[in-house]
Parts: sequence; structure tokens; C-alpha cells
Amino acid sequence: QKEVEQNSGPLSVPEGAIASLNCTYSDRGSQSFFWYRQYSGKSPELIMSIYSNGDKEDGRFTAQLNKASQYVSLLIRDSQPSDSATYLCVRSGNTGKLIFGQGTTLQVKP
Amino acid sequence: EAGVAQSPRYKIIEKRQSVAFWCNPISGHATLYWYQQILGQGPKLLIQFQNNGVVDDSQLPKDRFSAERLKGVDSTLKIQPAKLEDSAVYLCASSPGGLSSSPLHFGNGTRLTVT
Repeated sequence: QKEVEQNSGPLSVPEGAIASLNCTYSDRGSQSFFWYRQYSGKSPELIMSIYSNGDKEDGRFTAQLNKASQYVSLLIRDSQPSDSATYLCVRSGNTGKLIFGQGTTLQVKP
Repeated sequence: EAGVAQSPRYKIIEKRQSVAFWCNPISGHATLYWYQQILGQGPKLLIQFQNNGVVDDSQLPKDRFSAERLKGVDSTLKIQPAKLEDSAVYLCASSPGGLSSSPLHFGNGTRLTVT
């Protein structure tokens, strides 16, 4: 079992729709979770972090964490073509080691 | 603030040759990471430094890869000898501390092609 699992996609949504990206993890000791966005040919950039169960909202982005189910998700409301990218789910433990999932490719069609 | 600097930007070598990559983290960042990203995959941690000490190198292929951060600032990653499967983007990242909540700041990466 991979430490962080994501569906590689592509996930295709129309412009203005809600995009839902999902991630599961295997290590119950994981403490912090991040979502990074990576445009083709570019380096990853942090868009959201979440540390406790529940929802965290930042603009059009909402991260959701359920530690009992070992599940993290990212919702993107009012999706725009500029949101088309690969979204990487990341978990970390108490040593600062960050483990990346393989990423989900999102395509937002005009 | 200046970002994470990496060089070279691109490198093409033949298998069995050696190659070195350089990274200068954001000033004051104690933690430095080297990741390998193969096309279509997420970044894989090769080595994590806290200042000039190694925190984690469990996934570093030590028979061919080596890394150092002698003065706790910049770092070099070396591959000797290179194999075809080493073709990837090598990403350097830094963060202010060793806490799990610290976000990573990535450099632009070095794209390595081994022929």
C-alpha cells in the first residue's frame, strides 16, 4: 500500500464547476497535510495546509481532513482554466519528512 | 526574499557518467530537502538535512548517490555512475525549521536526461 494514494486522473470539470480531489494515507501517525499545485514543467507550490479534523477554507479552496478515515480532500469552487494543473497531496510526520502522493491531474474546460 | 536557487537548469549525460547538482536554500532556512521527480509521478524524498546533519536518507541509493551540506547552507547532490532510470527532475526545497508544519519552498529544479 502506498503511503499517500491519489487517483492520477485526469479529472475533467467544466469551467465554474466544483472540482473534488481526494487522497488517502496509510500512516495513522501523520500529523500535517498539505496540498501543492504543480503546473506542467514547474515546481510544486503550496496552496493549502490542514492539521486538524474538519474543513479549512481559503478563498475558492476548501481542504477537508478526516483522520479516523485517513482521508484528505481538496475542493475547488468556481473552477477556472487557470486551475488546470496537477495537485499533489502531502502528509508529514513529526520529523518534518514530507511524503508526496503521485498527484491528480485536473483539467478545467472553458 | 530570494528563492531557492538550483543549478544547472538542464543536464544531459551518458549512462555511467557522473553529474552534480547544486542548491542554495532561502537564507535562514535550516532544513533542506532533495527530491527526485520522475515524469508522471510525485516527488520522492532522497535526503533531508537539518542544518548540516542528515535527518533522513532512507530512500537515497547510496551506492551511486551522495549528498552533502557541509556548512549548513548550500548543498550538492552527486550521481556516480548514472543509470538510464535516473532521468528525472531533481528538486531542492527548503523550510524554516524541522517542524512538520513548515511549508516547503521549491527551487526550479534540474532536469537530468541520461542517454
